[in-house]
This record gives sequence, structure tokens and C-alpha cells, in this order.
Amino acid sequence: GESVGLHLPTLSVQEGDNSIINCAYSNSASDYFIWYKQESGKGPQFIIDIRSNMDKRQGQRVTVLLNKTVKHLSLQIAATQPGDSAVYFCAENSLSGTYKYIFGTGTRLKVLA
Amino acid sequence: GAGVSQSPRYKVAKRGQDVALRCDPISGHVSLFWYQQALGQGPEFLTYFQNEAQLDKSGLPSDRFFAERPEGSVSTLKIQRTQQEDSAVYLCASSFEGRNTEAFFGQGTRLTVV
Repeated sequence: GESVGLHLPTLSVQEGDNSIINCAYSNSASDYFIWYKQESGKGPQFIIDIRSNMDKRQGQRVTVLLNKTVKHLSLQIAATQPGDSAVYFCAENSLSGTYKYIFGTGTRLKVLA
Repeated sequence: GAGVSQSPRYKVAKRGQDVALRCDPISGHVSLFWYQQALGQGPEFLTYFQNEAQLDKSGLPSDRFFAERPEGSVSTLKIQRTQQEDSAVYLCASSFEGRNTEAFFGQGTRLTVV
């Protein structure tokens, strides 16, 4: 079935370095994507979103890149901080079909001091 | 309220017991979602409401699971005759609209069936 998946289950980075978290999606009809951050014991927290009519969107220290040709999404975090340690999920939604957001299994980001 | 509120935060149920999980969405949000999250996994869709209408319940794993949102605001997820495999975190999310808008999540209810 349609799914959203991530390449790396765990990513360790040095504090101050940039982090890149990747996500592959299989539903070509998906046209809206969200990155969520989930800390232990908490619900997913919205980070940034991107619509399919864009290939890049920037927020505060975060950038999301969308490559529709290869159905790939990435989240870049600049100057990674200890507070960035969490599990990151990408989720997809579609203009047509059901309303549900489809999540991948997540990537755990560990920031090393 | 300021965010999505879920209660209780933790629930321990004996196998076979019925449970009810509550979600208070952000005021004014039309859409409400329920998700189930197993340990170490991403959230899995259960059901979706637009106001009081349940438009999608394709993710409910069995007829033991039932959700309602009678007045288009607060929602309740009910699980009858709980089984051990129902142990998970149940997340509620709301958004102003259903598609292509931010969905905000509550902290979840951790259900443990013993």
C-alpha cells in the first residue's frame, strides 16, 4: 500500500553541526507534507510543512526540501542543538482521497555534546 | 484552550475492560483525528471527524473500537473488551481544515492492558 518511509532509523550528530533527515514517500498523489518532532512522552510537534508546488521552504534553523521526481523529502536542521534530540517523522497528505496523514516510522536524532 | 488536551494521560486496564479516552481539540478546529502509536513506531491513523461527522473510520482495527464527536467539539474514543494488543499511545490531533493544513497533536493517552 501507500507508505511514507525513512532511510535512517538513528542519526547521531555533533552539537553545532547540521543535520539532514531523509524521507521517501510512495504516493505520487501526495501534495502536502509535514515534518513533526516528537520528544519522549509527548505528542508530535509541528515543525514545518511544504506543499507540492514548492521544492524548498525555510523556517527558523530548519529547511525542508521536496523532490517530486524521486518522491523524496528531507529536513535540514542548522547548528543542531541538544534540544533537537528527538524522533522526527515526515507525514503526507493529499488534496484528493482521504484526509488522513500517513506517517513513517521515524528517525531518532541524537545530538552529541 | 491553548492546545489539544487529552485525558487521562495514563490508563491501565484489565483485559476485557472497556475504556474511554477523551480529546478536547483546539477551539474552532473543524477537523479531528485519532491515531494509535505503538512503541518505536509512527502514528497510525484510526479515524477522522469533520465537525460531528465521522468521514473516515478505515483505520479502526476492529469493531471493538468506536469514536464519536456528537457536538463537533470534544471527541471520545472507546475501546470495548480491551486486549493486550490494544496497548499503545492514543493520539488526538485537530486542524482548522482537514487537508493541507497543520494538524496539532495532544500529548496522548498511554493505554496499558494487563
